[in-house]
Amino acid sequence: SQTIHQWPATLVQPVGSPLSLECTVEGTSNPNLYWYRQAAGRGLQLLFYSVGIGQISSEVPQNLSASRPQDRQFILSSKKLLLSDSGFYLCAWKGKGSNQPQHFGDGTRLSIL
Amino acid sequence: AQKVTQAQTEISVVEKEDVTLDCVYETRDTTYYLFWYKQPPSGELVFLIRRNSFDEQNEISGRYSWNFQKSTSSFNFTITASQVVDSAVYFCALSVGRSGGGADGLTFGKGTHLIIQP
Repeated sequence: SQTIHQWPATLVQPVGSPLSLECTVEGTSNPNLYWYRQAAGRGLQLLFYSVGIGQISSEVPQNLSASRPQDRQFILSSKKLLLSDSGFYLCAWKGKGSNQPQHFGDGTRLSIL
Repeated sequence: AQKVTQAQTEISVVEKEDVTLDCVYETRDTTYYLFWYKQPPSGELVFLIRRNSFDEQNEISGRYSWNFQKSTSSFNFTITASQVVDSAVYFCALSVGRSGGGADGLTFGKGTHLIIQP
């Protein structure tokens, strides 16, 4: 069966520090991968998606970047965190085919001080 | 652009009551997919159901049922005989299908916080 792992589960970082969140998927190949952010009391917003290795698309302009160095690895990064980057970050994967549901990791709670 | 509206920010009911969570969507695409996800206090999102735009058949799964009506652009979710374990935030989401691939990213509503009191 397929599984998705995200780490760390929680992270507290000072403003201006770098960020690296990692997400890996097991049990499938060539998945679509996604990063979402959930701000406090709000819905989820799609940040990035990837349909293959090295292919990254950004949905909203922001202080973050994403990379996909391997087929089942998706990384969310920042060189300098802002207070507004605080939130709950969720990674998701889905199979090819528009009717496939997305499956989410357990998320990372990021607090910026 | 797509939009999903969940007008109910929070609903509180007593255990064993039936409760309906509303979802209204907007899209110009003729092919699209609707989803419901559950987010318990632990934070992970749990997939509940998917509906295709060309299939308006309603679905029942145990105490859960879904009513999809294209005429009103709604995809409502009903829990029958609610239980305390149903307490969570529920999200309705939409993706549009595009021939030749595409990201199939989800557009989420803001969620409905469901509180089931014992």
